Amino acid sequence: SQQGEEDPQALSIQEGENATMNCSYKTSINNLQWYRQNSGRGLVHLILIRSNEREKHSGRLRVTLDTSKKSSSLLITASRAADTASYFCATVMIGAQKLVFGQGTRLTINP
Amino acid sequence: GAGVSQTPSNKVTEKGKYVELRCDPISGHTALYWYRQSLGQGPEFLIYFQGTGAADDSGLPNDRFFAVRPEGSVSTLKIQRTERGDSAVYLCASSMGLAMDTQYFGPGTRLTVL
Repeated sequence: SQQGEEDPQALSIQEGENATMNCSYKTSINNLQWYRQNSGRGLVHLILIRSNEREKHSGRLRVTLDTSKKSSSLLITASRAADTASYFCATVMIGAQKLVFGQGTRLTINP
Repeated sequence: GAGVSQTPSNKVTEKGKYVELRCDPISGHTALYWYRQSLGQGPEFLIYFQGTGAADDSGLPNDRFFAVRPEGSVSTLKIQRTERGDSAVYLCASSMGLAMDTQYFGPGTRLTVL
C-alpha cells in the first residue's frame, strides 16, 4: 500500500513557468524525499527534507514540509523542457528505513 | 562503479518459470533495498538488507519471492513459479544505512511474464 497521495496526477505547463506539485501522507515521518523518474526507469534523488525542517532549496527546486498538515510541496522554478518527467514524493516513517512512495505527478513542459 | 547497477535490464519469461534479478550496490553501502513498480504507479517496497541480513521483508508479496545478499554486497531477487501479475520494473537501491541517508536507485530490471 502507498502512504502518499500526489496532486495533481498530471501537470502540463509552458517552458519558463513554475511548476508546483503537492504530496500528502498519513503517518508521522522521519523525513520526506522527492525523486524524479524519466521514462519509467531509474529514480533520481532530488531533495530530502527532515521532519524538523520546514523548507529546503536546491538550485531551482524548493521543497516545503508542513508536518501539522502532513503535506509537502515541490516547486520547480523557471521550468525547462528537460524537467519533463514523473515526480514522486516518498516518506520514511519513524522507526523504519524503507521509502513509501506516492503515485507520482507526471509533469510535461511544453516548449 | 559509480552507481547502482542491475542485470539484466530486461527479462522476458514464461508463466511458471524461475527468474533471478541481480543488483550491484554502490561500493561501501551497507543497506540495500528492492522495490517493484507497476505501470503508472509509484515504487512499492519489497525487502531491505542491512549487511547480509534481511532487516525488513514485509513487502514481499508471497513465498514465491526470495532475496539474498550472502556477502553483504551483491543481492539477488529470486522469483519462483512466475505469474503474469509479477510483470513490473524491479528497482534496487542502496544507501549508507541510516534512515536519513539518500537511497540511490539503479536503472531497474523490466520483467515481463508471458
